[in-house]
Amino acid sequence: GENVEQHPSTLSVQEGDSAVIKCTYSDSASNYFPWYKQELGKRPQLIIDIRSNVGEKKDQRIAVTLNKTAKHFSLHITETQPEDSAVYFCAASNNNNDMRFGAGTRLTVKP
Amino acid sequence: SAVISQKPSRDICQRGTSLTIQCQVDSQVTMMFWYRQQPGQSLTLIATANQGSEATYESGFVIDKFPISRPNLTFSTLTVSNMSPEDSSIYLCSVKKGANYNEQFFGPGTRLTVL
Repeated sequence: GENVEQHPSTLSVQEGDSAVIKCTYSDSASNYFPWYKQELGKRPQLIIDIRSNVGEKKDQRIAVTLNKTAKHFSLHITETQPEDSAVYFCAASNNNNDMRFGAGTRLTVKP
Repeated sequence: SAVISQKPSRDICQRGTSLTIQCQVDSQVTMMFWYRQQPGQSLTLIATANQGSEATYESGFVIDKFPISRPNLTFSTLTVSNMSPEDSSIYLCSVKKGANYNEQFFGPGTRLTVL
């Protein structure tokens, strides 16, 4: 089955700096890669996703890149703000199976 | 997206008892999932519940401990049976929208504490 590795487990940045979180996956059949943001005590919220037919997707300050050959994908947050502080999870799935999640990255943005 | 509600939002239970968690979705969905999230941890899939068939359990989870019902396309229940303190966790239901979409959305979770 799919195995998703996520790094780093914690990340601390100054407000305004960029943050990058990286994930690798094992199943070459995986074709959908979402990112979730989970604030304390809240449910995971889908913030951006990418499908295997594209290499990059951007939505305002967040972007995701995908390298299918290397089986890794990354989340990039630019101009970080304190409200970006949360736990971020990457995940991977294909059309036929359920989603497998990375271990999570706790991002802290210091004002 | 999908509007997903869960009941109860939290509960404190005694060892040896059972708790049934309900998940309601505002639209019909084929695939529903139940996850467990222990404090500070990631999301672990318990089982997949499709309407009209038995739930499919992941390794480490069994039907006797976590029976699931899926009576229709908008509702599911997860029961945590014969609870022990190790079952203390947040339980989340989740749905996928559409036949060709992979987007998966989560309910607000049920925080369970077993004494």
